[in-house]
Amino acid sequence: DAGITQSPRHKVTETGTPVTLRCHQTENHRYMYWYRQDPGHGLRLIHYSYGVKDTDKGEVSDGYSVSRSKTEDFLLTLESATSSQTSVYFCAISSGGAGDTQYFGPGTRLTVL
Amino acid sequence: DAKTTQPTSMDCAEGRAANLPCNHSTISGNEYVYWYRQIHSQGPQYIIHGLKNNETNEMASLIITEDRKSSTLILPHATLRDTAVYYCIVRVENGNQFYFGTGTSLTVIP
Repeated sequence: DAGITQSPRHKVTETGTPVTLRCHQTENHRYMYWYRQDPGHGLRLIHYSYGVKDTDKGEVSDGYSVSRSKTEDFLLTLESATSSQTSVYFCAISSGGAGDTQYFGPGTRLTVL
Repeated sequence: DAKTTQPTSMDCAEGRAANLPCNHSTISGNEYVYWYRQIHSQGPQYIIHGLKNNETNEMASLIITEDRKSSTLILPHATLRDTAVYYCIVRVENGNQFYFGTGTSLTVIP
């Protein structure tokens, strides 16, 4: 399995509080992604990064921000959590080469009360 | 990226081959077909991918029709641990997102 860890694995928080999720990789891959998974929606891309300090929005980026200050870490921040952001969040990495593959982390289950 | 269509659910007897179909009739020439699976609430696991030729690895085989409008994932000898949701994804080479859809829930029956 690709060396991807996510922290925390589970978190319960209250509406209006800031939350930061961390994704850490040991593969030195250029691309990193944040997805959320909700029943009936599959996985949807929130933000992705194509290099240190280089990020772009995905399909469902409203209410989320990201940062990547070094190759191995990609942070997802909910500035003011809402109940609609209750979800399972997955980080993924890829090398970016032709026909490359995304490898996923174990996920973070976030509950916003 | 091209949309994919998969059956909602399938059953397969343990030890038999599981054949999971996927339609991607709007696929274009530079789009790859990927298969992932997800067991319970774990992270999606990569299985196999291909462009136009059939592919085989230690987990599965991928058969892509000549017109590339459909494909089949074959698990040659299904085990109970293969019970999962299987996602067929089509994406542009070096595209930034995998569109997972809702996949096929495969149940391997003892």
